Amino acid sequence: DTAVSQTPKYLVTQMGNDKSIKCEQNLGHDTMYWYKQDSKKFLKIMFSYNNKELIINETVPNRFSPKSPDKAHLNLHINSLELGDSAVYFCASSPTSGGQETQYFGPGTRLLVL
Amino acid sequence: GQSLEQPSEVTAVEGAIVQINCTYQTSGFYGLSWYQQHDGGAPTFLSYNALDGLEETGRFSSFLSRSDSYGYLLLQELQMKDSASYFCAVEYGNKLVFGAGTILRVKS
Repeated sequence: DTAVSQTPKYLVTQMGNDKSIKCEQNLGHDTMYWYKQDSKKFLKIMFSYNNKELIINETVPNRFSPKSPDKAHLNLHINSLELGDSAVYFCASSPTSGGQETQYFGPGTRLLVL
Repeated sequence: GQSLEQPSEVTAVEGAIVQINCTYQTSGFYGLSWYQQHDGGAPTFLSYNALDGLEETGRFSSFLSRSDSYGYLLLQELQMKDSASYFCAVEYGNKLVFGAGTILRVKS
């Protein structure tokens, strides 16, 4: 059983397109996250939701819009894709919103914008 | 604000012991976490230190000194499969802030 799953695993698209990434966790956790990992492997949080409510919204262009239909799902929609959006996007979950909680990461979505 | 520093790369031989250091500057420190990430894989949790001292989990141990704003991850009896990136992370305002990562290369 996959704890945190993401789709798609790979995404290749043209500049200017709109795309979505989906994430689901079956761990019963309350909190979910989106991270971006750039080519230098720097891992930076983008958003966090706790029980469907947005609790962390880092300085991210408003072309990025997260949505959490329920606490087991967190999707990321990206409008007007740019070359600099190319990265690996990881979804993660944790039991609660405390930063000390262990975070469980999904396998990542490798986005390449051409 | 918060910042973490760790070496960019460490190389060691199979069977050896290696220590990966992490120094941090953060307001409101709660604890230091360590994550492992293999190439092409996802970060996975290794350990968490909230209090000073050493936490041991099998071949891996993690140490924290709050007074020195310093911690380290100790890997013993290195195996080839330990080749990976290792990230330290601190909690800041309900989120984890990660260091830039240390690439560990294990040679035979």
